[in-house]
Amino acid sequence: NAGVTQTPKFRILKIGQSMTLQCAQDMNHNYMYWYRQDPGMGLKLIYYSVGAGITDKGEVPNGYNVSRSTTEDFPLRLELAAPSQTSVYFCASSWKRNTEAFFGQGTRLTVV
Amino acid sequence: ELKVEQNPLFLSMQEGKNYTIYCNYSTTSDRLYWYRQDPGKSLESLFVLLSNGAVKQEGRLMASLDTKARLSTLHITAAVHDLSATYFCAVEGLLGGTASKLTFGTGTRLQVTL
Repeated sequence: NAGVTQTPKFRILKIGQSMTLQCAQDMNHNYMYWYRQDPGMGLKLIYYSVGAGITDKGEVPNGYNVSRSTTEDFPLRLELAAPSQTSVYFCASSWKRNTEAFFGQGTRLTVV
Repeated sequence: ELKVEQNPLFLSMQEGKNYTIYCNYSTTSDRLYWYRQDPGKSLESLFVLLSNGAVKQEGRLMASLDTKARLSTLHITAAVHDLSATYFCAVEGLLGGTASKLTFGTGTRLQVTL
């Protein structure tokens, strides 16, 4: 199994540009999450989903949007990139609440 | 709001020495995780601790949980260079409805020198 797959691995954006970070899992997990990790810090939750068609905000949702049209995919959209969104983004999934989360390899995003 | 504090933030230790990383959290939780992260890599799950007094060991690493003190420790025995990485603890807390989330500590960057 591939587990949790994120694309792209690296991206440089100019201020004001938009992009979508892709996340796919093949473990049939209901729960999916987007976290961001700023340099020297732990991860903070951006958005999460408990199943197809259901999404909700985490700690730091401003400037982002998500959708969950299928169980497998959970894309994260940045509409107007800002330097404050320079970070490493991790997607994770878990079967249900209180089960281990599996993380993707991360997307390193720089906004200049 | 659940807060998780780790210390130290940075640890430089010689090979062969022992040391402990501490993780304190502010509210009760069902479970606590320890992760390892190598530079530029994703998070690798090391331990899941589910109950008071839980102790788990893997190689030179041993993790324990004291839910009454809201404290977990990650003990390193006879460190080797391969253990150099950043170690995070993460505490599971409830979101609305049926969801939960992980709240991470700031991480401990461990450097093992020869």
